Amino acid sequence: QVQLVQSGAEAKKPGSSVKVSCKASEDTFRDYTISWVRQAPGQGLEWMGRIIPMLGIASSAQRFQGRVTITADKSTFTSYMELSGLRFEDTAIYYCARDLDNYSLDYWGQGTLVSVSS
Amino acid sequence: QSVLTQPPSASAAPGQKVTISCSGSSSNIGNNYVSWYQQLPGAAPKLLIYDNNLRPSGIPDRFSGSKSGTSATLGITGLQTGDEADYYCGTWDSSLTEVVFGGGTKLTVL
Repeated sequence: QVQLVQSGAEAKKPGSSVKVSCKASEDTFRDYTISWVRQAPGQGLEWMGRIIPMLGIASSAQRFQGRVTITADKSTFTSYMELSGLRFEDTAIYYCARDLDNYSLDYWGQGTLVSVSS
Repeated sequence: QSVLTQPPSASAAPGQKVTISCSGSSSNIGNNYVSWYQQLPGAAPKLLIYDNNLRPSGIPDRFSGSKSGTSATLGITGLQTGDEADYYCGTWDSSLTEVVFGGGTKLTVL
């Protein structure tokens, strides 16, 4: 059974960092890529980046480069997305999703709300 | 401003058919596979179509996808009130080297 279980909601101050976790089922972690996508309130989907968990090879969208770090822990089958230098406009639901390697995302985590306010 | 262009809204009556378009360019739709997602209110997106026209297991054949040149289309037949949702297209952009999405289309089943 494919599972992607994310960490709980976070409230952060501008300028701080947030780290969201995504615990995957073992076969998902071993055999697939994991992507991260965010959705601001009332807005569309925005791809942030992806990681091949077993190789630890990550890439990110240009707009987030320098601010986002995507990692994977093989011992716990967990991927992490850390976003630094938080701004008000980073308030969004952050999703992890299983990537079919053709950039189709077939299973999604439940989402993690990150709120940035002063 | 989204890289892929979708109409902001679409509507049709129960039982009818609706199509939702997604327009891009040669760097994205023109040379890469297109996916379609359904997002019900308050829920995570759900994959409806991948590789332009394939349905994952469990997705009814009321949903179909097609691609021609730099545009793609999602078709939904036999509309149900439960189909009211936001629909997004997505694909890889070879120039930007990232996944890009359309801005989403809100479907209303009248």
